[in-house]
Amino acid sequence: DIQLTQSPSSLSASVGDTVTITCRASQAIGIDLNWYQQRPGEAPHLLMTAPYHLRRGVPSRFTGSGSGTQFTLTISSLQPEDFATYLCQEGYNLPYTFGQGTKLEIK
Amino acid sequence: QITLKESGPTLVKPTQTLTLTCSISGFSLTTAEVGVAWLRQPPGKALEWLGTIYWDYDQRLRSSLRDRVAVTQDISKNQVVFSMANMDPVDTATYYCAYHVPGPNSFDHWGPGILVSVSS
Repeated sequence: DIQLTQSPSSLSASVGDTVTITCRASQAIGIDLNWYQQRPGEAPHLLMTAPYHLRRGVPSRFTGSGSGTQFTLTISSLQPEDFATYLCQEGYNLPYTFGQGTKLEIK
Repeated sequence: QITLKESGPTLVKPTQTLTLTCSISGFSLTTAEVGVAWLRQPPGKALEWLGTIYWDYDQRLRSSLRDRVAVTQDISKNQVVFSMANMDPVDTATYYCAYHVPGPNSFDHWGPGILVSVSS
């Protein structure tokens, strides 16, 4: 199975900051990487696919990049509703592994 | 508007079979290029894909659980049924059904989830 490692596991930032989250795959997966946001007690919400196609309705302050084994999610000008956990997920091979998540907290 | 919702027991005993139902609306189970997936998230742990049934009745299951898991669909009821045999306390998790888009293999819409505890 492909392993996904997210870093950092947690991150503190302030409203208005820009943050970057990294997702590394244990083998090359092309661009088949999706990003989700998950708030406590809720199901994940898809932010973008493959890995920079923003889902309709997701603010443009979210940007994704990368290919192969390294991917990044950047959130610019953080808003209060952005403080949540972010998950990467590979769509390259079964079993469509998820990363462990990066918890973004308010400083 | 696409919606999914899980239903079923929230407590099962070890060795029992868990059966969960995903009720869908806003799309048809026969819509081409669509699947309904089941995933779970143990408390404090990573999400784990369990299986998907596709519009053409094809299905893919997590290989490590293949002997325990089954996914079926009832087109007339707009429901997908998930079952997992021989439940163990380590299977305690929030179980989700989700709208699975092949290609990017993304999970575009999710049910709210149902927390299933396994305990005697």
